[in-house]
Amino acid sequence: NAGVTQTPKFQVLKTGQSMTLQCAQDMNHNSMYWYRQDPGMGLRLIYYSASEGTTDKGEVPNGYNVSRLNKREFSLRLESAAPSQTSVYFCASSEPNTQYFGPGTRLTVL
Amino acid sequence: GQQLNQSPQSMFIQEGEDVSMNCTSSSIFNTWLWYKQDPGEGPVLLIALYKAGELTSNGRLTAQFGITRKDSFLNISASIPSDVGIYFCAGLNTDKLIFGTGTRLQVFP
Repeated sequence: NAGVTQTPKFQVLKTGQSMTLQCAQDMNHNSMYWYRQDPGMGLRLIYYSASEGTTDKGEVPNGYNVSRLNKREFSLRLESAAPSQTSVYFCASSEPNTQYFGPGTRLTVL
Repeated sequence: GQQLNQSPQSMFIQEGEDVSMNCTSSSIFNTWLWYKQDPGEGPVLLIALYKAGELTSNGRLTAQFGITRKDSFLNISASIPSDVGIYFCAGLNTDKLIFGTGTRLQVFP
């Protein structure tokens, strides 16, 4: 039981490049989330998916897209990366009343 | 965007001391969660609180769900070096978590 896994662990992009962050959970949870964490701040919600086939915007969705590929997987895509998207990205999944987080992807956009 | 007010922002304490931190909100929450984050890692759930007034312990950690449902407290007793990290509170309504800004804890031997 790996919990929530994320790939890659680190990534460096140039401005304008695109990439997809992958997330998978093996806990059979319905809900999955993508957050970003910037220095000195808590986690801010980018997008979430309450169930397979549905996605909704969170607090900071601009510049991102998501895909809930199946119940296990929830990917985050940056179509045209910008330096303001330099951050640590966390995926999470939840059962009612709690959330479990992945180890994070540290993204730098030059 | 909405964030919870968490205090203190940072704490520097000696090993063996007790620690208290709290979180307040202008909104009511149905659930309060406390997480710890080590450098380079994701947040790890420490304690979950589901009912106003609830007091829950997990080893040396004790957390309380405020009676107004707008605040929560976390206490760590007899701190040890491995308690070092950032502690986050989070309020949960329906399916969305709102996070506090974190309390950075340093423990000196």
